[in-house]
Amino acid sequence: GQQVMQIPQYQHVQEGEDFTTYCNSSTTLSNIQWYKQRPGGHPVFLIQLVKSGEVKKQKRLTFQFGEAKKNSSLHITATQTTDVGTYFCAGHTGGFKTIFGAGTRLFVKA
Amino acid sequence: GAVVSQHPSRVICKSGTSVKIECRSLDFQATTMFWYRQFPKQSLMLMATSNEGSKATYEQGVEKDKFLINHASLTLSTLTVTSAHPEDSSFYICSARTGTSARNEQFFGPGTRLTVL
Repeated sequence: GQQVMQIPQYQHVQEGEDFTTYCNSSTTLSNIQWYKQRPGGHPVFLIQLVKSGEVKKQKRLTFQFGEAKKNSSLHITATQTTDVGTYFCAGHTGGFKTIFGAGTRLFVKA
Repeated sequence: GAVVSQHPSRVICKSGTSVKIECRSLDFQATTMFWYRQFPKQSLMLMATSNEGSKATYEQGVEKDKFLINHASLTLSTLTVTSAHPEDSSFYICSARTGTSARNEQFFGPGTRLTVL
């Protein structure tokens, strides 16, 4: 069945270092969404990418959607302790449901 | 932004009892609601998709008779865990979407932590 693979599973960084998480789909996606879940909290929507090759920025966060619309990445520049949490990508093939990646847990050491 | 509430936030029950969890969209009409289950340090596992006024669509491996879902209105969906057992202990999260298109973002509830003794 359709899968959305996400790597790495977790990453430890020193505050100020950059961080990237990657998502890859076995099938072409109509769009991809990114969510952040803080420890003990619930997922919160960050952004949605729809167009091939699309790049969107939110302050220190940069989101990319691959040309083939099968992969996506989230890059955080100069991480801060407030960036701690699990980042999930969620892909759609144009159908009804959302397929979540396994998530990447980010740990930031001050 | 859109708000989704979930009640209760935490419940502890004895094995064999049934537990009902409510999911409400507070400031918008949710055409579609989703129920997820999340184990510690793991991803969200979609259990079922519910549309107002129709039967829920369950994912493979999810028992319909054990996890009863009712989407009674455009602002309320309930998940009832029937005859709960310790292995049902988990974090249950609902989400709501304003339309049927997958382009619509999902708004998540705060989750319900179920512990079955």
